[in-house]
Amino acid sequence: EAGVAQSPRYKIIEKRQSVAFWCNPISGHATLYWYQQILGQGPKLLIQFQNNGVVDDSQLPKDRFSAERLKGVDSTLKIQPAKLEDSAVYLCASSFRRVGNTEAFFGQGTRLTVV
Amino acid sequence: AQSVTQLDSQVPVFEEAPVELRCNYSSSVSVYLFWYVQYPNQGLQLLLKYLSGSTLVKGINGFEAEFNKSQTSFHLRKPSVHISDTAEYFCAVSVDSSYKLIFGSGTRLLVRP
Repeated sequence: EAGVAQSPRYKIIEKRQSVAFWCNPISGHATLYWYQQILGQGPKLLIQFQNNGVVDDSQLPKDRFSAERLKGVDSTLKIQPAKLEDSAVYLCASSFRRVGNTEAFFGQGTRLTVV
Repeated sequence: AQSVTQLDSQVPVFEEAPVELRCNYSSSVSVYLFWYVQYPNQGLQLLLKYLSGSTLVKGINGFEAEFNKSQTSFHLRKPSVHISDTAEYFCAVSVDSSYKLIFGSGTRLLVRP
């Protein structure tokens, strides 16, 4: 079974530029998460989708970050404009169900460096 | 609000020795508890989780953890570590058994020959 796919793996941009990350979850997984992991810290949830609807985006900096999950499958996370403090690894995860005895699988992440 | 504290940022240990990675949490409601491992340049892999039932949870790769409600702890243990266990370990909590997780800052396990 294929895992969670993310691209690109690495991205370097200048501050104030825009960037987009793509995630393809495991087939059939209804729930999708985006996490931000700053170096030396644990991941922090940015947004949670259930199918193509947003369940929780309370920690998403909406002035610069946006995310969508069209058709309830793939998802994109965008930053516009980027700041130096956005340098981090962006992790996508998916699970079959939102709650209960299920497991979320994480992709390898996209490492963003803002210079 | 919930929070997770991992008391040790780095734990060095010799190969075949036992290890315990500590995790304490703070919450005003019941929580579900998780341990993840992250190898260099990789995503997170679930080691084990506590949702309900027995407070001693066994996971993959010989790891186990014990939920202690009175001490609000969920320490991770392995009786004999291998070089391949060198990685970053994260403790996390959820209030609804979903993977909307609050993570600790991580403990780097360094296994030496």
